[in-house]
Amino acid sequence: GQNIDQPTEMTATEGAIVQINCTYQTSGFNGLFWYQQHAGEAPTFLSYNVLDGLEEKGRFSSFLSRSKGYSYLLLKELQMKDSASYLCAAMDSNYQLIWGAGTKLIIKP
Amino acid sequence: GAVVSQHPSWVICKSGTSVKIECRSLDFQATTMFWYRQFPKQSLMLMATSNEGSKATYEQGVEKDKFLINHASLTLSTLTVTSAHPEDSSFYICSVTGGGFSYEQYFGPGTRLTVT
Repeated sequence: GQNIDQPTEMTATEGAIVQINCTYQTSGFNGLFWYQQHAGEAPTFLSYNVLDGLEEKGRFSSFLSRSKGYSYLLLKELQMKDSASYLCAAMDSNYQLIWGAGTKLIIKP
Repeated sequence: GAVVSQHPSWVICKSGTSVKIECRSLDFQATTMFWYRQFPKQSLMLMATSNEGSKATYEQGVEKDKFLINHASLTLSTLTVTSAHPEDSSFYICSVTGGGFSYEQYFGPGTRLTVT
């Protein structure tokens, strides 16, 4: 079956760095997405990886290892506004997104 | 990215009534739109894929006669929850893909439905 695993909740300190891991098992693979979702709002796109390696975009970076079925989202210089849920989603061979349950990130001052 | 709107942003209705939710792609012609449902503290659940000019493709377990989807134009898809019940109370979100070789999905702001 198809499955996405990510931690349910993480806590980090303002100004620090946090890494949110995601492992996936899909029928075929057409890329890995990370979305940010604040409470009560719709998700917003953060990143898309289809090749192995690290993609850096400002304070956020995303890494993919296709051979390991593994990705992580790295958030640097954490700010209070980064408190949100972070959703990992893998695209299968039919270009369907398989969604993880999300990781709730709590930032403490 | 694409700009997507939804209307209404929230709605309260009585059990047994029907509710229509509109999803509009404001700056992009979307041949495909997606409808999701999200219960509190849970992830997104794809309900159906809405294709312009043809019938929607529903995910397993989603009643197509209860959740009517109409994709009448390249910029508008509607979801009608018929004979709503309290268990249908949820956050309904639509999205569009970027098109071409862009697979990212752009989401509308969502509609919070509460059935009393």
